[in-house]
Amino acid sequence: KQEVTQIPAALSVPEGENLVLNCSFTDSAIYNLQWFRQDPGKGLTSLLLIQSSQREQTSGRLNASLDKSSGRSTLYIAASQPGDSATYLCAVFTGANSKLTFGKGITLSVRP
Amino acid sequence: DTAVSQTPKYLVTQMGNDKSIKCEQNLGHDTMYWYKQDSKKFLKIMFSYNNKELIINETVPNRFSPKSPDKAHLNLHINSLELGDSAVYFCASSQDLVEGTQYFGPGTRLLVL
Repeated sequence: KQEVTQIPAALSVPEGENLVLNCSFTDSAIYNLQWFRQDPGKGLTSLLLIQSSQREQTSGRLNASLDKSSGRSTLYIAASQPGDSATYLCAVFTGANSKLTFGKGITLSVRP
Repeated sequence: DTAVSQTPKYLVTQMGNDKSIKCEQNLGHDTMYWYKQDSKKFLKIMFSYNNKELIINETVPNRFSPKSPDKAHLNLHINSLELGDSAVYFCASSQDLVEGTQYFGPGTRLLVL
């Protein structure tokens, strides 16, 4: 059974800091991994998707990496801003049963 | 235009009632999903449909019945609502079953009193 872990559950940093959010998963037989952002009381917004054959994806100040063999992914946020404050969820897609398994998320607070 | 839309946004109802949540996607995707986010914010899949066919049913009580009248719609009907059904329900869609980004709706906040 696939399990996705995100530690810590919450993180507070000052504005301008570069930061790394971690995600680990137990079953390396994944099709892809997605990072989502959820603002309070809102739905999920997809940030980056990494296919199992890829090592990383970049979008603006965000860079996501994937090490499938070790069951790890990181989301790197450069020059953090208060507007980055949100919950960041990692999810892995397992093709065998065609479902997305989510971690519990990391709630990020960027202090001005 | 909203890619994945859900109605209603909020739903407050009494125990024992029956309610429905509607979902529509205008992305031309083949696959649609229902997720439940509990009070601890943990998001878990309930159902997935591909081309109107049920693919995943994740040990959800049979009081929950999804219905897909066409590829663009996946509605969720809940019978005999219980207190524990209070949660946020998200609809999502993706191009197909195998790969691809999932796009989420804004969620329906259900409160059972």
